[in-house]
Amino acid sequence: QKEVEQDPGPLSVPEGAIVSLNCTYSNSAFQYFMWYRQYSRKGPELLMYTYSSGNKEDGRFTAQVDKSSKYISLFIRDSQPSDSATYLCAIFTGANSKLTFGKGITLSVRP
Amino acid sequence: DGGITQSPKYLFRKEGQNVTLSCEQNLNHDAMYWYRQDPGQGLRLIYYSQIVNDFQKGDIAEGYSVSREKKESFPLTVTSAQKNPTAFYLCASSIYLSGTSSYNEQFFGPGTRLTVL
Repeated sequence: QKEVEQDPGPLSVPEGAIVSLNCTYSNSAFQYFMWYRQYSRKGPELLMYTYSSGNKEDGRFTAQVDKSSKYISLFIRDSQPSDSATYLCAIFTGANSKLTFGKGITLSVRP
Repeated sequence: DGGITQSPKYLFRKEGQNVTLSCEQNLNHDAMYWYRQDPGQGLRLIYYSQIVNDFQKGDIAEGYSVSREKKESFPLTVTSAQKNPTAFYLCASSIYLSGTSSYNEQFFGPGTRLTVL
């Protein structure tokens, strides 16, 4: 079983839709949970991160972590065409200072 | 203007040739990383360095080599031993605090797309 599994894509939604992106992980030692956004032919940029179970909100974005189920989600409200990108979940364990990434999902928001 | 630069943006090489990808940062970060990204794949760690003159293998180090002679520079050489070198290569850096398990954000460069013909 891979350490981080991410729902496969691609995903296409109309503008204004609510988007839900999901990952599961296998190692309960993982401590920090990140979502990166990557535009085409660019490097990833950190969108949000959290280290505890529950929700963390930043504008139209909400990151949700359920450590008991080893499940993380990113919700995008009122999606915009500018949200069209690849979204990567990533998990960090301090034991070896390594980030482990999911495969990423490509989101397209249609005007 | 602080950040991470990678050059060149696109690189073409013939099979069997070694090639070196450049990564420079002026963020005064101690730690630097090299990742490889293939279509439909996440980022996979090749090598990382937490301090000058020291580096560790990541998950897919075979066929690659690195050096860390200066804090701001972490070049990656893709050798002829790498069986499938065509990919998008990303360099990242972060602060590093030894003895802690806190997450320190990794900042990524714009990437180099290597194509081996």
